[in-house]
Formats: sequence, C-alpha cells, structure tokens
Amino acid sequence: KQEVTQIPAALSVPEGENLVLNCSFTDSAIYNLQWFRQDPGKGLTSLLLIQSSQREQTSGRLNASLDKSSGRSTLYIAASQPGDSATYLCAVMGYSSASKIIFGSGTRLSIRP
Amino acid sequence: ETGVTQSPTHLIKTRGQQVTLRCSSQSGHNTVSWYQQALGQGPQFIFQYYREEENGRGNFPPRFSGLQFPNYSSELNVNALELDDSALYLCASSLMTKLYTDTQYFGPGTRLTVL
Repeated sequence: KQEVTQIPAALSVPEGENLVLNCSFTDSAIYNLQWFRQDPGKGLTSLLLIQSSQREQTSGRLNASLDKSSGRSTLYIAASQPGDSATYLCAVMGYSSASKIIFGSGTRLSIRP
Repeated sequence: ETGVTQSPTHLIKTRGQQVTLRCSSQSGHNTVSWYQQALGQGPQFIFQYYREEENGRGNFPPRFSGLQFPNYSSELNVNALELDDSALYLCASSLMTKLYTDTQYFGPGTRLTVL
C-alpha cells in the first residue's frame, strides 16, 4: 500500500531564503509524482509534474526532483516571497487500473516579510 | 477550453441528510475522480468514474456513491451524513486511454459542513 509522507508539517522562513520541501513514498512503482499548492480554503493548483522516467522538472523559481529508487522527491523554492505562503502537497500516481492519486498531508509554508 | 468546475461552492447540512455534489469535467476528458480532504489532511481518494462506470474505489462506505453522465460530468452522493463527512470535496478530470493516462486537473472544490 502506497504511503506518502511530507516532513516538516510546517515551515516558517524569512523572505528571500532558498528552501527545500521533502516528500517520501513507500512504493517506487509510480507512474508520476506531482507537487501541488493549496491556499487556505481553496482547491489545488498543480505546480510541477514529474513522469516516472524523469529526474526533475523546473518552472520559474521552482525545481522538483525525483529519485524513485530511494522513494524521495524534493521541491526547491528559490528566493522565497511572502506570496509563496501556502500548503504544498506531494502526490503520486501508481499503475493501478484506477489512476488514483495518493497525497501526503502537506507542508504548511509561511514566508515572513 | 473550460476547466473543471464544481457546484455548489459551499453547503451546510445536518446529520442524517443526503447531499449531491456536482462536477463538470474539462473538455475532452473522459474520467472523473473524487477526493475528500478533511481539515489539515491531504485529499483521500473516494472513487473514479471512467466512461460512465466506476473504475476503482477508495476506503469509503457504500453511502458514498456516484454517477457519471454521457457528457462525462459527474455527481457525488452522500447518504446519512455524519459529522465526520465535513470536508472539502474535490473532483479531478483526466483523459484515459488504453495506452495513456493523462494528469488529473482539479476543480476548486465544494466545502461541505455537517452540523
């Protein structure tokens, strides 16, 4: 049974810092891994999707890496801004007949001005 | 191309009542998945509909049921509501073929409060 863990549950850093969010998963047989952003009370915004054959994806100040063999992914945020404050969710899709996504519980990020 | 939409945005019900949530999938998509997100948790998979048939189910009781229509829109029905059903309900649509499963695109969610 796939389990996705995100540590830490919450993180507070001053504006301008580079930071890394961590995600681990127990079953390396994944179809893809995705990072989402969620603002309070809102839906999910997809940030980056990494296919199982890929090692990383980049979008602007965001870079996500994937190491299937160790069951880990990281989301790197460069030059953090107060607008980056949100909950970041890591999610994996397996190879089951139902393409369900298994989510971690998220890291709540706060960027202090 | 329109995105995934959900209605209503917010809903308040009392214990024992029944509720229907609606989701319109993105144009060109044939699959809808439903997720429940309790406060402070990640979303949990409820079930998925592919071409109008249930195509997988998570660990939710039978009082959670669904439908998918010929236009690929979908409904989530919950009977005999319990306090713990209070959550954000998210739907996601995607395109699935025999050879390929596209990423899922999420709607904004419906916030259900059970009193």
